[in-house]
Parts: sequence; structure tokens; C-alpha cells
Amino acid sequence: ETGVTQSPTHLIKTRGQQVTLRCSSQSGHNTVSWYQQALGQGPQFIFQYYREEENGRGNFPPRFSGLQFPNYSSELNVNALELDDSALYLCASSFPRLNTQYFGPGTRLTVL
Amino acid sequence: AQTVTQSQPEMSVQEAETVTLSCTYDTSENNYYLFWYKQPPSRQMILVIRQEAYKQQNATENRFSVNFQKAAKSFSLKISDSQLGDTAMYFCAFMKLAFGNEKLTFGTGTRLTIIP
Repeated sequence: ETGVTQSPTHLIKTRGQQVTLRCSSQSGHNTVSWYQQALGQGPQFIFQYYREEENGRGNFPPRFSGLQFPNYSSELNVNALELDDSALYLCASSFPRLNTQYFGPGTRLTVL
Repeated sequence: AQTVTQSQPEMSVQEAETVTLSCTYDTSENNYYLFWYKQPPSRQMILVIRQEAYKQQNATENRFSVNFQKAAKSFSLKISDSQLGDTAMYFCAFMKLAFGNEKLTFGTGTRLTIIP
């Protein structure tokens, strides 16, 4: 176990709805990264948060947004859900100069 | 932009045998890290091993070792004395050495099955 937790485990939404996924980082880690893993693919980087600021973003549209809180936990919000948003969403925590990310168990999102 | 290629979609090996998973990458960076992560059916991405590009010595972690060839941009994973619990998807990943925006770029994975 890495100490990174995510909730919920599974989620089913319909197209056009909005969803919020949550992540608690490992103790001592102040950086959280989010990844989307489509079925049969490797994870794709969505964005990273460091000390409550977005610190890099992958090739995802603005309807993917996030927050990081003072305790370094984080949320991923997706608006106007599309069928292609169905995926496993992984968060990973780290801290600068650790240069290694530790992953949570993921949230499986299904969009119908 | 960096790319990571895993050319073996699936592999299988008998329990207790040795297996090698291949990974190549493309980058213009000189300072970076390479990783192998394991993702069993439980979905949790687990770090297997890490290699710093500036280190010539290949990393080892118990039964897991890598063959890092920087000039060839190759990073293979060797699993010795394979066990049933090694059955999983294995992902090779690249990370540029930088303060901030330390994103991982993953390959498409190799599904490894250990046969009893």
C-alpha cells in the first residue's frame, strides 16, 4: 500500500453530467498528479498540482479541472461528461526532488 | 515530446523461469528517470524499479533488474524466478528531471502471465 487513497472506487454517470473525484496524498507529499487510463492503454497525464497551484497540464480540454487543498488532498472535476471520458482515473503523490510518484488505487468512471 | 514504446503486448512464462520485458524511448533530454510499474488486476499501479539516467549502474530490486542502455535508449526489465504474483500489466515510464511538472509518460504496457 502506498498511502494514497482515492474515492469513490466506482462511479456511473450519464453524458452531460459533472463528476468530482477525490484523492488524498501520502503523508509528507505536497504534489498530486492525475492520470486518465483508458481500457487497454497506458495512463495519460492530465495535470499536476503543487502547493495548491496547477503545475503543468497535459492535452486535456478545460472541462477537466482540479483543486488542491491546504492538506494537499486534491479533486479532479470533469464537466459535460462525454462517453470517451469512461476510464480509470489515477492520482499519484510525490514531493519535489523525490522524482518518484506513488499511485492510488484509482476510480473507475463509466459514462453512459 | 517524449515517447515510450513497449513492443510486446503480451508475454507468458512458466513459474520460476526468467522473463525480460522490452522498452524503448525517445527523448532529447539528458537528465531523466525511467520506471517500471506493475498493475495487477486490482488496478493499483505499483512501482517496481527506478533508474536514474545519470547512473551507469543498472538498478536492481530483489528479483527485478533492468538493463539500461542510454545510447540505445533502451530500458528492459528482467524478472528472475518468476512467481504467480508477478502476473500483471507492466508499464515502462519516462520522467524528465525537472522541478515541477514532473509528469510520467507511459508506454502501452505488456501483459505478463506466469503459468503454474
